[in-house]
Amino acid sequence: EPEVTQTPSHQVTQMGQEVILRCVPISNHLYFYWYRQILGQKVEFLVSFYNNEISEKSEIFDDQFSVERPDGSNFTLKIRSTKLEDSAMYFCASSGALGVMNTEAFFGQGTRLTVV
Amino acid sequence: GDSVTQMEGPVTLSEEAFLTINCTYTATGYPSLFWYVQYPGEGLQLLLKATKADDKGSNKGFEATYRKETTSFHLEKGSVQVSDSAVYFCALSNYMDTGRRALTFGSGTRLQVQP
Repeated sequence: EPEVTQTPSHQVTQMGQEVILRCVPISNHLYFYWYRQILGQKVEFLVSFYNNEISEKSEIFDDQFSVERPDGSNFTLKIRSTKLEDSAMYFCASSGALGVMNTEAFFGQGTRLTVV
Repeated sequence: GDSVTQMEGPVTLSEEAFLTINCTYTATGYPSLFWYVQYPGEGLQLLLKATKADDKGSNKGFEATYRKETTSFHLEKGSVQVSDSAVYFCALSNYMDTGRRALTFGSGTRLQVQP
């Protein structure tokens, strides 16, 4: 069964450093997302990406964040200068095969980011 | 904006007990509704979904019915097992009304099933 894969599973970084979280969405999906879940809290939407551009972003997704689809398979989230409060589980998701209207999203296993 | 409200946990049940986790939503139009499950140390998995009023989603013995009149999508299971221990998230997507594909999640409800 196709799945969304994320790497690494756990990343520890020093405050102020840049991190890149990587995702390989399901191959025939057209819409890609990043969500985050701070420990013990709800899952929060960060950004959605379609047709090589951001289609929607939340107020959390400020200038320190960026997304990119550098090739035909990877989808990355970059955090330019990490802060302690960026520590969270980051989930990548994809949805929407061509011609399919439903919005069911498939999630990866997540990357746990710890900023120290 | 759209929102999802779930009952607070943790919910602690004995094996074979009946489970209900309440979920209500606020949204314009007719959103699609989902339950996702997060097992310990794992990511989010879609458990079931319903895309229109009165639809019943079901999977692995879990059921939820889309009730437009009460804006609810309560999750039920007749007989829980220890392996059902997880965090359950109710979510909605309101694409048809807002053009927004992103999911709005509830706060999650932790279920603990004791042998």
